[in-house]
Amino acid sequence: QKEVEQNSGPLSVPEGAIASLNCTYSDRGSQSFFWYRQYSGKSPELIMSIYSNGDKEDGRFTAQLNKASQYVSLLIRDSQPSDSATYLCAVVYSGAGSYQLTFGKGTKLSVIP
Amino acid sequence: SAVISQKPSRDICQRGTSLTIQCQVDSQVTMMFWYRQQPGQSLTLIATANQGSEATYESGFVIDKFPISRPNLTFSTLTVSNMSPEDSSIYLCSVGDISGETQYFGPGTRLLVL
Repeated sequence: QKEVEQNSGPLSVPEGAIASLNCTYSDRGSQSFFWYRQYSGKSPELIMSIYSNGDKEDGRFTAQLNKASQYVSLLIRDSQPSDSATYLCAVVYSGAGSYQLTFGKGTKLSVIP
Repeated sequence: SAVISQKPSRDICQRGTSLTIQCQVDSQVTMMFWYRQQPGQSLTLIATANQGSEATYESGFVIDKFPISRPNLTFSTLTVSNMSPEDSSIYLCSVGDISGETQYFGPGTRLLVL
């Protein structure tokens, strides 16, 4: 059973602060990891992907992966009210030609002006 | 990334009826996926629909309830059959990039079954 766990939140941070979103996964064979942002009433939007241990930065977003600990995180620097959304962690296990994405339940982030 | 549209964007249906949801992509894609997102929940994969082969359904989902068509590389349909209130959900199609791993989502279809 492939599971992806996230703290459901809500996580509240003041504007300008760093928001830290965490995710753990159960399958050691997982190869690819994604963060999606979902605004209320909208569909998920891909914001980051990461495949190797370490950090990957894209603008105000940094994804961190630690495969030994089966842990992936997303940092949002200089948080803005427009970052308020639910953030979904998704994991791919590419075994046997399968590309099934398994999603966590998401963490709701609220950035307070 | 591909531009994905879905029809209808929302619908209210009576129990026992069926609804067909269309997913149109502006470019040819091999891999298409159908998801369900129930209120307050995350996304659950219903099936993978690759052109030229039968859809592959995930545990808990069956073809009789969710028949899928994939007539070409830019289009797919999902039918929700014999609906009950438990089928009230958002239904999303997504497409995979060339690696098959990165997925992009359509705007979704909000379904309410009375």
